[in-house]
Amino acid sequence: DQQVKQNSPSLSVQEGRISILNCDYTNSMFDYFLWYKKYPAEGPTFLISISSIKDKNEDGRFTVFLNKSAKHLSLHIVPSQPGDSAVYFCAASVGGSQGNLIFGKGTKLSVKP
Amino acid sequence: KAGVTQTPRYLIKTRGQQVTLSCSPISGHRSVSWYQQTPGQGLQFLFEYFSETQRNKGNFPGRFSGRQFSNSRSEMNVSTLELGDSALYLCASSRTGAPAGELFFGEGSRLTVL
Repeated sequence: DQQVKQNSPSLSVQEGRISILNCDYTNSMFDYFLWYKKYPAEGPTFLISISSIKDKNEDGRFTVFLNKSAKHLSLHIVPSQPGDSAVYFCAASVGGSQGNLIFGKGTKLSVKP
Repeated sequence: KAGVTQTPRYLIKTRGQQVTLSCSPISGHRSVSWYQQTPGQGLQFLFEYFSETQRNKGNFPGRFSGRQFSNSRSEMNVSTLELGDSALYLCASSRTGAPAGELFFGEGSRLTVL
């Protein structure tokens, strides 16, 4: 069973608008959540993370929100740019593990000019 | 600063053979993790090494093994290859003291098993 779920395989957004990518999890022991971005033929790139003791973390155009009671997190990209077009993976770690992450299956974001 | 380097980038093997993949982490990074990416299962954790010791292991059969050398370079080996082992194998490194999960990934080794 999937512990980290990204239910939308794809999302299309107009340039300049907000992109919202969603992720649900089942394991209440997860203590760190992360978002990675992946371009074709490249490895995933770390984007932003949030500790389970926080409910929001912001870095430039990227904001991650965590709702622990709903076991849900989301990534907001404002404003969206064509260069943001990529596959976005949600990931979670337990016990502060450095390298052992549970990944969702990804959401392909397309930002149209 | 050079990124994570994985070799070979592409390889084709037949069922029953074995394969060894190599990973050179970013200079100064002592933790190396390996992941398998397939279209159906997404990214799945294989194992993590730190200072030549396996720190964590994912839910994969014993045919999958790995090791880390004193210079932090790592190798993974898959023996008795099966068709289902066809995948992109990603290596990632992280620096000591970094926040949990902040990994730097290589471009991967794409294995095709015929």
